Amino acid sequence: AQKITQTQPGMFVQEKEAVTLDCTYDTSDPSYGLFWYKQPSSGEMIFLIYQGSYDQQNATEGRYSLNFQKARKSANLVISASQLGDSAMYFCAMREGQMWDDKIIFGKGTRLHILP
Amino acid sequence: GAVVSQHPSWVICKSGTSVKIECRSLDFQATTMFWYRQFPKQSLMLMATSNEGSKATYEQGVEKDKFLINHASLTLSTLTVTSAHPEDSSFYICSASGTSTDTQYFGPGTRLTVL
Repeated sequence: AQKITQTQPGMFVQEKEAVTLDCTYDTSDPSYGLFWYKQPSSGEMIFLIYQGSYDQQNATEGRYSLNFQKARKSANLVISASQLGDSAMYFCAMREGQMWDDKIIFGKGTRLHILP
Repeated sequence: GAVVSQHPSWVICKSGTSVKIECRSLDFQATTMFWYRQFPKQSLMLMATSNEGSKATYEQGVEKDKFLINHASLTLSTLTVTSAHPEDSSFYICSASGTSTDTQYFGPGTRLTVL
């Protein structure tokens, strides 16, 4: 069974609009972490934001925020005021456990296209 | 954030040859390194986890004799693709973590093309 599900293979969004990328996850471990990464065409994985399962507040990093709904097992990424440079592949990922050496599993990704 | 490098960034080789990819943590000690493979337009698939000084743990379906992983020091792990074939052509990405880091840090990736 898939542990990380991203249901949007691709999205087109007008520049300056906000965009929400969906992610649901499945785990029975009470301690886990959720990540979002951006992968531009160059291939590098750029860390965007992290949410721990015990965190009370939704994580925010600049224009990125994570809408964490624990009961729904949902961790959507919200990008405010999108820019052309946001066009890339976006991966949601989960780490079961919160240790630095626990493995991270990735979803299939969403390709985001920002239109001028 | 911590810096992880990979070398080479791209490599082209003939079928049947072996290729070694290096992953280095430049400013921290990486007790654990992870190797991922990414086919075009697909997600990252974890191949194996290596801890410094011990044997790597391979994910189900990954041939340990074909993908040799060595993590002999706290700053270097190597992945050797033995007897490479065209179906091994892929983007290989490593990540590293250690006691001083709160998460994994990814290298820039190595694009392998086997002719």
